[in-house]
Amino acid sequence: AQSVTQLDSHVSVSEGTPVLLRCNYSSSYSPSLFWYVQHPNKGLQLLLKYTSAATLVKGINGFEAEFKKSETSFHLTKPSAHMSDAAEYFCVVSDHSGTASKLTFGTGTRLQVTL
Amino acid sequence: DTAVSQTPKYLVTQMGNDKSIKCEQNLGHDTMYWYKQDSKKFLKIMFSYNNKELIINETVPNRFSPKSPDKAHLNLHINSLELGDSAVYFCASRPSGVRGETQYFGPGTRLLVL
Repeated sequence: AQSVTQLDSHVSVSEGTPVLLRCNYSSSYSPSLFWYVQHPNKGLQLLLKYTSAATLVKGINGFEAEFKKSETSFHLTKPSAHMSDAAEYFCVVSDHSGTASKLTFGTGTRLQVTL
Repeated sequence: DTAVSQTPKYLVTQMGNDKSIKCEQNLGHDTMYWYKQDSKKFLKIMFSYNNKELIINETVPNRFSPKSPDKAHLNLHINSLELGDSAVYFCASRPSGVRGETQYFGPGTRLLVL
C-alpha cells in the first residue's frame, strides 16, 4: 500500500520569498514521486518527478524537490515566489505493480502568494 | 495540439439523467485513466484501461461504465446521476510498462448534478 501526506493544506508567502511545500510518503516499493500543479479551474500539470535517479530533482518554473529516503520526504521548494505560482499543489506517489501505474494523490496544498 | 482532450468541459444536468464524457489522447499511449476530483480537491483514481482492457477498477458504483473503443479513446458513461456525482472528472494517459513514466492529464470535465 502507498500513501502521501501533505503536511500543510494552505501555505501563504510573500512574493520574492522562498516556498516550501512539505510531503511525506509511504510505499512498499522503491517509489516514483511527482509534484503536480493545478491552477484555478485548470487541469493538472507536471512540475517534476523522481524515479530513482538523482535525489535532487529540478522542475519547471524554478521548482525543485529533494528525495530523502531516510526521512521518507519529497518536499517542494522554490527560492523566490512569483504571483503566478499561486495554485494548488499535489504530491503524488506511483505504484508500479502490474501493467498499470496507479497514482495516489496527497490532499493538496494551496499556495497563496501575496504582494 | 492538445495531447489529452475531454468533452464536454462543463456539464450541468438533472438527477437521474444519463450522461457521457469523452476522452481522447494523441500521444500514442497504451494506458488511460479516469480520476475524480471532489469538492475538497481530493483526486482519486476510478478506472484504468490498457490496450482497451480494464485493468484498474477502484470500487466505483456500477452506474459508472468506462468504454474504450480503441487505444486513443476512453469514455465514461454515468447512469442515473446522483447529487454526489458532482465533481471534476479528469482523464489521463501514459505509456505502459515504463517505470515512473508521467501521466498526462486532460483539462477536466466539470459535472454539476442538480
